[in-house]
Amino acid sequence: DIQMTQSPSSLSASVGDRVTITCRASQSISNYLNWYQQKPGKAPKFLIYAASSLQSAVPSRFSGSGSGTDFTLTISSLQPEDFATYYCQQSYSTPLTFGGGTKVEIK
Amino acid sequence: EVQLVESGGGLVQPGGSLRLSCAASGFTFSRYWMHWVRQAPGKGLVWVSRIYNDGSSTTYADSVKGRFTISRDNAKNTLYLQMNSLRAEDTAVYYCARDQLYYYDSSGYPTFDYWGQGTLVTVSS
Repeated sequence: DIQMTQSPSSLSASVGDRVTITCRASQSISNYLNWYQQKPGKAPKFLIYAASSLQSAVPSRFSGSGSGTDFTLTISSLQPEDFATYYCQQSYSTPLTFGGGTKVEIK
Repeated sequence: EVQLVESGGGLVQPGGSLRLSCAASGFTFSRYWMHWVRQAPGKGLVWVSRIYNDGSSTTYADSVKGRFTISRDNAKNTLYLQMNSLRAEDTAVYYCARDQLYYYDSSGYPTFDYWGQGTLVTVSS
């Protein structure tokens, strides 16, 4: 099974800050990497596919990068609605696996 | 508008059974692979199972293999998860999710593009 490791597990940031979350796969997954956002009590929302392609309607302040085993999600200027937990997920092989999540909290 | 609505969750004793349903609308259900993903209270997301659009193939996480069965009724636009021999560690919110291929640079990338609101399963005596 491919293990996905996210860091940090949580971070505190202010509105307007640049935030970067990292995700590491236990083996190469090419760019078969998705990102999701989840707010408390809600279902996850799909943000990014193929490591760097934004789903339509996702604000351009979100960006993704990486290939192979190392990936990042960046929010260029944090907005109030971005405070949430973010998960990476590999779609390279089953079992499909998620990272442990990164909770972005208000400083 | 794509909608996925789960039902069937509740409190069940260890060793018991439960069947979850996911009613789909707003898209041609029979064209899509579907998944179940679960989330234990305060924990992260864990993939559970996948089924092809025509039901011809199913895949399971090791943690549920032999105990859970995914199925679908395309005539009723409904996905199911039959859960037997339930354990305390199966306690979670269960989400159904649609599998959609997004294309980039001529390659298709599987995603969970729509999710239901989830249904809570609690396994406890």
